[in-house]
Amino acid sequence: DAMVIQNPRYQVTQFGKPVTLSCSQTLNHNVMYWYQQKSSQAPKLLFHYYDKDFNNEADTPDNFQSRRPNTSFCFLDIRSPGLGDAAMYLCATSGQGGTGELFFGEGSRLTVL
Amino acid sequence: AQSVTQLDSQVPVFEEAPVELRCNYSSSVSVYLFWYVQYPNQGLQLLLKYLSGSTLVESINGFEAEFNKSQTSFHLRKPSVHISDTAEYFCAVSEVITGRRALTFGSGTRLQVQP
Repeated sequence: DAMVIQNPRYQVTQFGKPVTLSCSQTLNHNVMYWYQQKSSQAPKLLFHYYDKDFNNEADTPDNFQSRRPNTSFCFLDIRSPGLGDAAMYLCATSGQGGTGELFFGEGSRLTVL
Repeated sequence: AQSVTQLDSQVPVFEEAPVELRCNYSSSVSVYLFWYVQYPNQGLQLLLKYLSGSTLVESINGFEAEFNKSQTSFHLRKPSVHISDTAEYFCAVSEVITGRRALTFGSGTRLQVQP
């Protein structure tokens, strides 16, 4: 089945130690998104790629970076995680010219010690 | 820019009782509307969507939502809930405009079904 896959599902890191989360998709969608979701809150958009065009939200901290080497893969890099970065990170995709409907992965839960 | 309001952060209900989760939106243009469900430690799954046509839309597991343009609402209802419906429910909108679209989510409603 076509899907969005995130790895790892659970990531534990130490304060300040860089971490990379990955997302792959078999839907051949041209738009990929990274959301941050803290406990009992709505997902917050960090950035998205429209094909190779990177779009950063204005309030996304510089500590967060992203890479999209090809259509299928997208990475979220957190350069120096702080305690406040502990959250669920959700990857999502959508098709070009669509309705905005998002297809989500299972998420990666980040714990910062 | 659009916004979404889910007034109820938590809704406790007994099994087999009816439930309504409220969603109101604000937008200066036409919108598409969505309800997503999130089970613990999982991603969001699409529950149902309104794109056009009939204002009443249904999901395969008994939920329905009605688009009310005059009241700018898209409330989610189920006539009889099950324990397995316990989850977080998010209402979301995207604007019907050409070009790129991004969903705006409400703050979520936690549905707690009790035996």
